[in-house]
Amino acid sequence: DAGVIQSPRHEVTEMGQEVTLRCKPISGHDYLFWYRQTMMRGLELLIYFNNNVPIDDSGMPEDRFSAKMPNASFSTLKIQPSEPRDSAVYFCASTEGGFGSQYFGPGTRLTVL
Amino acid sequence: EDQVTQSPEALRLQEGESSSLNCSYTVSGLRGLFWYRQDPGKGPEFLFTLYSAGEEKEKERLKATLTKKESFLHITAPKPEDSATYLCAVQATGSARQLTFGSGTQLTVLP
Repeated sequence: DAGVIQSPRHEVTEMGQEVTLRCKPISGHDYLFWYRQTMMRGLELLIYFNNNVPIDDSGMPEDRFSAKMPNASFSTLKIQPSEPRDSAVYFCASTEGGFGSQYFGPGTRLTVL
Repeated sequence: EDQVTQSPEALRLQEGESSSLNCSYTVSGLRGLFWYRQDPGKGPEFLFTLYSAGEEKEKERLKATLTKKESFLHITAPKPEDSATYLCAVQATGSARQLTFGSGTQLTVLP
């Protein structure tokens, strides 16, 4: 299996622009998680889905952030408009059944100028 | 609220010098405790899951142990390739599936 796939790996954008991050989970996994990692706050959960349905979005920082999962093999995290404080590494992870180890993608490093 | 505290923040060892990393946790009910390894520029890589106090897991030079309040990751005779950040996370009992992560221990093993 190819593992969790994320794109792009790096994104540099200017403040105010829309940013879309993409994730393909491991085939057969029914849970998908979006995390953000910064030096100050570590690894934080933003939102997670079960069978394409958002279950808990309490970690989404504000309305500028939105996430969708239109099918079992694709999810997006969108930031509109982006701000410099959104600069971080964003990870997607997936698992089967929700309990137990989560498998992480390589991450997207976002820089907002 | 679930909390995970890892210590030390950073650790430098000479090759072959054994040591332990600590993960203290506070959770209403523990479903599982997870150890991950993260290399620079990469996503966390799963190492171990521990479910109950007294449980131990081993993989090569790493051994993870669990008590009711903390977990230790013991590194025996480390090599430079063991250099990485080690993350600890907990999953609580109940219906929630999220993991709560600690801030990690950055391990450097010098040749």
